[in-house]
Amino acid sequence: QQPVQSPQAVILREGEDAVINCSSSKALYSVHWYRQKHGEAPVFLMILLKGGEQKGHEKISASFNEKKQQSSLYLTASQLSYSGTYFCGSPGSGNTGKLIFGQGTTLQVKP
Amino acid sequence: KAGVTQTPRYLIKTRGQQVTLSCSPISGHRSVSWYQQTPGQGLQFLFEYFSETQRNKGNFPGRFSGRQFSNSRSEMNVSTLELGDSALYLCASSLDGTSNEQFFGPGTRLTVL
Repeated sequence: QQPVQSPQAVILREGEDAVINCSSSKALYSVHWYRQKHGEAPVFLMILLKGGEQKGHEKISASFNEKKQQSSLYLTASQLSYSGTYFCGSPGSGNTGKLIFGQGTTLQVKP
Repeated sequence: KAGVTQTPRYLIKTRGQQVTLSCSPISGHRSVSWYQQTPGQGLQFLFEYFSETQRNKGNFPGRFSGRQFSNSRSEMNVSTLELGDSALYLCASSLDGTSNEQFFGPGTRLTVL
């Protein structure tokens, strides 16, 4: 079952904050977040392996609520370089290399 | 450390032909996954190889196949190409699975005419 991301698209001004949500109808054992810029490959942002876990990298952080089967990605004080499409992915089964990705959230940051 | 490489980067084929794409993972990574990316369907999992064995398979027809060699390099093959196979094919490598980050290659852009 494909995770569902919301919103589908968001437009921000530099310095504004954004939240991207990822939810699943089935149990989430871990969540991966990636960003893909136009014409480039997806780039790994972070992985959350257990419920309650929160991680951060510079001004991008994420949380994982295992019980609610959802994860959120927080972008604080957005920069132009944050523009791109953000994907969440959940493992298909166990610890294998199968990720099922959400449909993506397109983020555009304007000056 | 060199990243994931994919060859060729661009490919144009006609319907009915077959194609082979190659992926070289990061040194030391044993898991290689393949994904198809299209504007309409997004990122869809094709299959994963680990230690030369297919460990997972997505919902794609049997025309899509792959293999992995002892040095972890992987190839995927698509036979009897259809127009709908036009897509960006991405491979991703990781140490051993989804408890580790996956590193994506630049992709192979396949166009079927």
